[in-house]
Amino acid sequence: NAGVTQTPKFQVLKTGQSMTLQCAQDMNHNSMYWYRQDPGMGLRLIYYSASEGTTDKGEVPNGYNVSRLNKREFSLRLESAAPSQTSVYFCVGASEGVHGYTFGSGTRLTVV
Amino acid sequence: GDSVTQMEGPVTLSEEAFLTINCTYTATGYPSLFWYVQYPGEGLQLLLKATKADDKGSNKGFEATYRKETTSFHLEKGSVQVSDSAVYFCAAGDTGRRALTFGSGTRLQVQP
Repeated sequence: NAGVTQTPKFQVLKTGQSMTLQCAQDMNHNSMYWYRQDPGMGLRLIYYSASEGTTDKGEVPNGYNVSRLNKREFSLRLESAAPSQTSVYFCVGASEGVHGYTFGSGTRLTVV
Repeated sequence: GDSVTQMEGPVTLSEEAFLTINCTYTATGYPSLFWYVQYPGEGLQLLLKATKADDKGSNKGFEATYRKETTSFHLEKGSVQVSDSAVYFCAAGDTGRRALTFGSGTRLQVQP
């Protein structure tokens, strides 16, 4: 199915562990984004990539790194997970800037 | 930076009741405005949008009008259904900023 695919859907980490959240899109989107969703705080932008080979920090980048491997893939890495990173993470692709957001189904991450 | 403020939820209504969810924004310039809907376990989906002052976005019986003078974009529906139960997010953005800013979300619960 066409769209934005995130893996894994669920993950439990221990404090200090590392992991990479994967995101791939097959809609030829130029821009890709990572948001986190927390109760009462809406969605906050972590990082984004306006085009292949470029990445920029968003509102809450601390503790995360990203990689735009190619036009299709945009991964989010937690080098040393902390309980404060417990959240639902959404990858988004867009071809028309803010007018063309397509969301993945999310990754629910729990850090214990 | 830009910010979006929504009324806190949950909003609980009986089926066929009238719905209003308030949204106001602060931004430099005149951003495009959006309403997204999130059903349980899913990513966000675009519900409607408006790109300039006095524009009315509409979809599936929902409407919202871009009010520049009050910097508002309130979501309305004349008669809600149980299937409308979801979380609704207001968002603002323009191409120059490359990313959307979301409100905190409002949960709507419609009872039969």
